[in-house]
Amino acid sequence: QKEVEQDPGPLSVPEGAIVSLNCTYSNSAFQYFMWYRQYSRKGPELLMYTYSSGNKEDGRFTAQVDKSSKYISLFIRDSQPSDSATYLCAIDSGGGADGLTFGKGTHLIIQP
Amino acid sequence: GAGVSQTPSNKVTEKGKYVELRCDPISGHTALYWYRQSLGQGPEFLIYFQGTGAADDSGLPNDRFFAVRPEGSVSTLKIQRTERGDSAVYLCASSISGAKDTQYFGPGTRLTVL
Repeated sequence: QKEVEQDPGPLSVPEGAIVSLNCTYSNSAFQYFMWYRQYSRKGPELLMYTYSSGNKEDGRFTAQVDKSSKYISLFIRDSQPSDSATYLCAIDSGGGADGLTFGKGTHLIIQP
Repeated sequence: GAGVSQTPSNKVTEKGKYVELRCDPISGHTALYWYRQSLGQGPEFLIYFQGTGAADDSGLPNDRFFAVRPEGSVSTLKIQRTERGDSAVYLCASSISGAKDTQYFGPGTRLTVL
């Protein structure tokens, strides 16, 4: 079992819909949770960063962490065609090894 | 200010050849990371530098891979005797000081081994 599981999609939704993206993880030592957005042939760009269970909101984006279930989510409200990209969840143990552990990424398509 | 830059953006080489990939981190960032992203996969951690020293190289797949950061700024990832399986996008990221800080990624170098 991989440390971080993420459905690769593709996930296709109409413009304006609410999008839900999810990851599960196996290691309870993970403490810091991130969502990155990656456009085609570009590097990942940080969208959200959180370190506690609960919700964190930033504009149209809400990150949700449930440490008891080892489940993290990203919600996108009022989705736009410009949101079409690959969304990567990333997790950091916060310990000595500082590399992030990424999911496979979910390819999201917002249809105009 | 300028972000993380990587050169070249694309590199095509033949099996068995040696390649060097360069990363220029954000000015003032002491932490630097290399990742490898294969098609359809998330980035996979390779190595982490804190200043000039490799603090964690546990992700390097084998001894054909080596990275340096001699002056604590620019880093070079070196791959010897390249194999077709090395074909991937190699991403570099930097952060202000390391653990728990936001990592900022460069655009990557797309390596193709023929």
